[in-house]
Amino acid sequence: QVQLQESGPGLVKPSGTLSLTCAVSGGSISSGHWWSWVRQPPGKGLEWIGEIHHTETTKYNPSLKSRVTISVDKSKNQFSLRLSSVTAADTAVYYCARVDTGVIILYYYYAMDVWGHGTTVTVSS
Amino acid sequence: SSELTQDPAVSVALGQTVRITCQGDSLRSYYASWYQHKPGQAPILVIYGKNNRPSGIPDRFSGSSSGNTASLTITGAQAEDEADYYCNSRDSSSNHGVVFGGGTKLTVL
Repeated sequence: QVQLQESGPGLVKPSGTLSLTCAVSGGSISSGHWWSWVRQPPGKGLEWIGEIHHTETTKYNPSLKSRVTISVDKSKNQFSLRLSSVTAADTAVYYCARVDTGVIILYYYYAMDVWGHGTTVTVSS
Repeated sequence: SSELTQDPAVSVALGQTVRITCQGDSLRSYYASWYQHKPGQAPILVIYGKNNRPSGIPDRFSGSSSGNTASLTITGAQAEDEADYYCNSRDSSSNHGVVFGGGTKLTVL
């Protein structure tokens, strides 16, 4: 079954760039799914960051769009997140997730069906 | 962009039934998906689509929707169901991003 594993530095300096990678195992990143990044700041709820399709089409959270880049490396079966100009407000647990989408009767569905374990990123000098 | 609204906290007696709701304009076009999230763990998808449970999710979890409101029902809540529950869907506004509800903390008494 598909498994996801986040990796990257756990500490980033303010104004720096946060870079994380999500390795996909047990399946292909070119399987037709979207691949997403989600974060949870301490004491707060889940926040969608953005997502990418293997065709390299991307969608981003409007509140983060100016600072976010998500890319895919099909040769390594992984996708990555870059968040620039970070501040303490970007301190969070970052998760990657696989997205399953479809249509049932006249309604669409969108479900993050496989998640990585999450990685904690702290922004501090 | 659209928003999804959840009650911050709900409690239920052990073995009783509890309903957690999620409201938002996106739910007129999209089914909500529901996630269980426990501290220190990754979120787990518990309901998606009309009322679909991924493999391994107990059948005491069920979902429903009407208009702009989606509901997650736990019939016969167990102690291990105590967690934060989030709904999400694609945003039906022009950007077609993704929205999460603010989360509901479920306490099993």
